[in-house]
Amino acid sequence: QKEVEQDPGPLSVPEGAIVSLNCTYSNSAFQYFMWYRQYSRKGPELLMYTYSSGNKEDGRFTAQVDKSSKYISLFIRDSQPSDSATYLCAMSAELGTDKLIFGTGTRLQVFP
Amino acid sequence: GAVVSQHPSWVICKSGTSVKIECRSLDFQATTMFWYRQFPKQSLMLMATSNEGSKATYEQGVEKDKFLINHASLTLSTLTVTSAHPEDSSFYICSAPVPGRNEQYFGPGTRLTVT
Repeated sequence: QKEVEQDPGPLSVPEGAIVSLNCTYSNSAFQYFMWYRQYSRKGPELLMYTYSSGNKEDGRFTAQVDKSSKYISLFIRDSQPSDSATYLCAMSAELGTDKLIFGTGTRLQVFP
Repeated sequence: GAVVSQHPSWVICKSGTSVKIECRSLDFQATTMFWYRQFPKQSLMLMATSNEGSKATYEQGVEKDKFLINHASLTLSTLTVTSAHPEDSSFYICSAPVPGRNEQYFGPGTRLTVT
């Protein structure tokens, strides 16, 4: 079993839809959770960073963490064609310079 | 957010030659940097952790003598792919954690093509 499992997609939705992206993990030591967006042939861009269970909102993006279920989600409201990218969840156990463990990524396409 | 740069962005080399890729943190000091490799439509695979002033830590299955890492200063780490072969063709990305925070910022990546 992989440490981090992510729905592979691809996911294709119409503009304006609400998108839900999810990851599960098995290592209860993970404390820090991140979502990255990666456009084709570019480096990942940090979207959201969360530590505690609960929700964190930033504009159209909401990150949700449920440590009891070892489940994290990223919601995108009012999705736009420019949101079309691969979304990677990542997590780590320690604060500071700990390496990140990534999910496999979900490819999202938002069509007009 | 913090800025991490990579150079070059794209390199083509002949089989058997060596290629050096630079990773720089532009507005913060990074005692640690990470090197990843990403094949098409796959996720990032951590290759090694670069530590300023000490030897790099390599992940299992990554050849130390083939992928040489030098963390020359608090803002620069280099990855040298020695005796490159076509199977080394990939997208190489570095990242650096911001001091005092757990966020890591990624460089734009370097596309290596070995012919």
